[in-house]
Amino acid sequence: QQQVKQSPQSLIVQKGGISIINCAYENTAFDYFPWYQQFPGKGPALLIAIRPDVSEKKEGRFTISFNKSAKQFSLHIMDSQPGDSATYFCAASGTSGSRLTFGEGTQLTVNP
Amino acid sequence: DGGITQSPKYLFRKEGQNVTLSCEQNLNHDAMYWYRQDPGQGLRLIYYSQIVNDFQKGDIAEGYSVSREKKESFPLTVTSAQKNPTAFYLCASRRGASGRGETQYFGPGTRLLVL
Repeated sequence: QQQVKQSPQSLIVQKGGISIINCAYENTAFDYFPWYQQFPGKGPALLIAIRPDVSEKKEGRFTISFNKSAKQFSLHIMDSQPGDSATYFCAASGTSGSRLTFGEGTQLTVNP
Repeated sequence: DGGITQSPKYLFRKEGQNVTLSCEQNLNHDAMYWYRQDPGQGLRLIYYSQIVNDFQKGDIAEGYSVSREKKESFPLTVTSAQKNPTAFYLCASRRGASGRGETQYFGPGTRLLVL
């Protein structure tokens, strides 16, 4: 079964610190890697996404780093803020694109 | 105002009862999806549809049924065969039915509780 493994399960960071969430995948046919942010009681919202032809993508305080040879990608949140406290999901899809495979999620808490 | 709407926000099911969750999108998206989310867990795919009048089972389809009679609507029925239906149900849509790199967009969710 195609899997995406996400770690850590939970993460506590102080305000202003860097939050790092990691994901690893098995299927080399995956070629699209989005990250979603979900607040309690709400639907997930797309945060940032990357394709394997680049090693890094940055949008504001959020950066995806991608290591194709290791089949790993990570989300870095710089200058973490209490408002970033949410659950973050990594995901991956292949060339057909019709299905996303999600990681298990990381609950991030940013303390003031 | 485009988007995905799900109703109701909360739904209560009695023992042996079938209930239907609504999902509507006005984004003109081809593909639609239903996911189940249990507390502290990830998203598991129930059913998805890439085109009107066609749908495929996801990873946990047992006890659920869907229909796709209109492009904008993809209702999910939780049948009495689903013994543990309490969960947060999320509907999503995607512009293209297939192809690379298209994002899925999610609705606000329906929380189903068993009485």
